[in-house]
Amino acid sequence: GAGVSQSPSNKVTEKGKDVELRCDPISGHTALYWYRQSLGQGLEFLIYFQGNSAPDKSGLPSDRFSAERTGGSVSTLTIQRTQQEDSAVYLCASSLSGHRSDTQYFGPGTRLTVL
Amino acid sequence: DQQVKQNSPSLSVQEGRISILNCDYTNSMFDYFLWYKKYPAEGPTFLISISSIKDKNEDGRFTVFLNKSAKHLSLHIVPSQPGDSAVYFCAAAYYNQGGKLIFGQGTELSVKP
Repeated sequence: GAGVSQSPSNKVTEKGKDVELRCDPISGHTALYWYRQSLGQGLEFLIYFQGNSAPDKSGLPSDRFSAERTGGSVSTLTIQRTQQEDSAVYLCASSLSGHRSDTQYFGPGTRLTVL
Repeated sequence: DQQVKQNSPSLSVQEGRISILNCDYTNSMFDYFLWYKKYPAEGPTFLISISSIKDKNEDGRFTVFLNKSAKHLSLHIVPSQPGDSAVYFCAAAYYNQGGKLIFGQGTELSVKP
């Protein structure tokens, strides 16, 4: 079956512009996660959606970052007024139920470059 | 502060030998640990996990060891194969925060033929 897909695969933007990154999770997966990997760093947790519960936004680095998940499926991560330090690979993952023992399946990521 | 640490950014081993990747954590609220493997331009893929109630979990060539008193875990790959060359990430989950994972910085493993 289809895995997690993300679009665009690459995004180059100018400092100060807004960007939207999209994630299509595996069908039937109720949990969706966003992480980012900055150059030379590990994966940093950003936000986590689980079913109809309020999302865990504890990893969002600033109020310029927001995310939504529509209809319990597709998710969009929005970064407003982008800064150069936002340059990173943004990874989305989904899992069946959101339990910590559930395997998280990752998409290929969106590479964001802020000039 | 870095709650999950992988202090070796890279490791090189000979094909057929054992690869040992290490990970340390600081938060006692972690109770589930995972290893992910990542190839360039791809997302990470799950490799193996261990619950804090165990000290060892084995899956084929991969074994994860957990030492709770030392807050240390390690991944052993025996025998190592060239296809194992990738970046390996250690991750930890809190006992009460669902699937939220805290990752280490990664160790790049190179297995030479």
